[in-house]
Amino acid sequence: EIQLQESGPGLVKPSQSLSLTCSVTGYTITSGYDWSWIRKFPGNKMEWMGYISNSGSTNYNPSLKIRISITRDTSKNQFFLQLNSVTTEDTATYYCGTFAYWGQGTLVTVSS
Amino acid sequence: DVVLTQTPPTLSATIGQSVSISCRSSQSLLHSNGNTYLHWLLQRPGQSPQLLIYLVSRLESGVPNRFSGSGSGTDFTLKISGVEAEDLGVYYCVQGTHAPWTFGGGTKLELK
Repeated sequence: EIQLQESGPGLVKPSQSLSLTCSVTGYTITSGYDWSWIRKFPGNKMEWMGYISNSGSTNYNPSLKIRISITRDTSKNQFFLQLNSVTTEDTATYYCGTFAYWGQGTLVTVSS
Repeated sequence: DVVLTQTPPTLSATIGQSVSISCRSSQSLLHSNGNTYLHWLLQRPGQSPQLLIYLVSRLESGVPNRFSGSGSGTDFTLKISGVEAEDLGVYYCVQGTHAPWTFGGGTKLELK
């Protein structure tokens, strides 16, 4: 069974960087799928942020392109999100996964 | 970006009632490879989103067959034939045909 788990700080100060880790078990991230980061804002709005493919290529939402980086460590079967220059508008629950498999989500609050 | 408009935003139903949710796209979701990457998710309270339907009408493994999807081009529908209590939550359509992937605004299914 594929399982994903997000981890990282729950509180980030404005202008700093948000860094999250997604740990995958039950499947090797180089075997298939595009591994995404998706966030849900307060209310119902969902936003796809970007993905790293099983081959290591990346695809980002243009709205975030100058601030986002998704990387991976294949030896640990993990992939990572870095979002720079955060503002309070980046406060959201962040999910990693594919559309078929999701982590539990982690709430990140941007506040001084 | 492709805009997905879901209606209604809120749906009140009794147990056993059949209901439908509409998802209308601002442009055709038919990919040049012949696939239509329109999927439906359910997020129950306190849980991660769950894939229900993929590629318009294909039922994800383990999902009850009271859920069905239909549509083509720009107009899509999710139908629940006999709502059960466990179906309550927020339903999203999501498209993966055109980058960036985008979500509908969500439809909250409540008990009447």
